[in-house]
Amino acid sequence: DQQVKQNSPSLSVQEGRISILNCDYTNSMFDYFLWYKKYPAEGPTFLISISSIKDKNEDGRFTVFLNKSAKHLSLHIVPSQPGDSAVYFCAAMGGNTGKLIFGQGTTLQVKP
Amino acid sequence: ETGVTQTPRHLVMGMTNKKSLKCEQHLGHNAMYWYKQSAKKPLELMFVYNFKEQTENNSVPSRFSPECPNSSHLFLHLHTLQPEDSALYLCASSLRLAAYTEQFFGPGTRLTVL
Repeated sequence: DQQVKQNSPSLSVQEGRISILNCDYTNSMFDYFLWYKKYPAEGPTFLISISSIKDKNEDGRFTVFLNKSAKHLSLHIVPSQPGDSAVYFCAAMGGNTGKLIFGQGTTLQVKP
Repeated sequence: ETGVTQTPRHLVMGMTNKKSLKCEQHLGHNAMYWYKQSAKKPLELMFVYNFKEQTENNSVPSRFSPECPNSSHLFLHLHTLQPEDSALYLCASSLRLAAYTEQFFGPGTRLTVL
């Protein structure tokens, strides 16, 4: 039973446009959510996070939105750049166990 | 070296071999983790260490044996593995084992079991 789901395996957008990556979760105990980016042959790189007391967190071109009632979060990248092409993982954590639960990932391709 | 390093980057082993994966973090962190990523599956947590003490074993088979001699080093000892154990093994670290703390990953070891 997957507690964190990224239902879109892939997404393709034009350079300069907005990329929206979605993530759903089922466990209401999750209170911290993270997005990681992964290039081939590299480990995941931390991108941005949000705690459950917020509904939005912004860092440069990246914004994460959290809708707790819908158990849904999204990552917005604007404007998208070709260097953003990578696999994006959503992850969730509850409490202080260090247990990060990951989604399957969404492959983003930004076309020049 | 900076960040989290892992060696080797690639490993091919037979089912009767014994090998070890090594992870080292240069971030001054106190918590370290092993994850497994199989093809078409999400990253899956295997073990958690906090100040060298194991705090989590996510029902991992005993053919995987972790070791954490200090807060900077983490090993994963492998023996009598199965072909289905072929995967990307990722090490991560975090400043502390606490809520609202991001984990930093190494590049991973690509393991193939023949």
